[in-house]
Amino acid sequence: KAGVTQTPRYLIKTRGQQVTLSCSPISGHRSVSWYQQTPGQGLQFLFEYFSETQRNKGNFPGRFSGRQFSNSRSEMNVSTLELGDSALYLCASSSTRDTHNEQFFGPGTRLTVL
Amino acid sequence: LAKTTQPISMDSYEGQEVNITCSHNNIATNDYITWYQQFPSQGPRFIIQGYKTKVTNEVASLFIPADRKSSTLSLPRVSLSDTAVYYCLVGEGWNTGGFKTIFGAGTRLFVKA
Repeated sequence: KAGVTQTPRYLIKTRGQQVTLSCSPISGHRSVSWYQQTPGQGLQFLFEYFSETQRNKGNFPGRFSGRQFSNSRSEMNVSTLELGDSALYLCASSSTRDTHNEQFFGPGTRLTVL
Repeated sequence: LAKTTQPISMDSYEGQEVNITCSHNNIATNDYITWYQQFPSQGPRFIIQGYKTKVTNEVASLFIPADRKSSTLSLPRVSLSDTAVYYCLVGEGWNTGGFKTIFGAGTRLFVKA
């Protein structure tokens, strides 16, 4: 079974631009979560989607948004990029057949904001 | 979600057993304890999960005392490739209406030859 895939793997943007990152979960997984990882703040939860609905949200500004499609693929968007948005963005998927929170992570998208 | 506290870093030598303890004083009745491993520039990888007593799989053991206020991840006979950051998480799963996974700072394990 293929793992979680994220595209693109690397991205360079400038301040003020916007960016869209894509995540394809493991086949059959309906829950997709997004995280931001930086050296200073560690792994921080952005949001979780299940059946196209956002179920949980972390403490990030409204510039960070996401959505999930009917095939469970998910995208996250960051508008008006700031230098501090430079980070590794990780996507994770979970199976609703697993009772608890085992998540399978993708390789991440490394975003650099100049 | 219960807050977790782990040592920031640990050093070990190849072939030794490593025990990483996590404190979670406010763990709730429905919470499970999960450990993840992360290598640089990769996403975290699930290692083991448990609710109480002891759980063992092919890579690690998890010891949870009766009060569940702490847990210990045990890695037998570590190798250089076990050098990574280890995260302890406490929380419920998807069936309670979704989950909001909070990763702590993790423990950076460095295995030396």
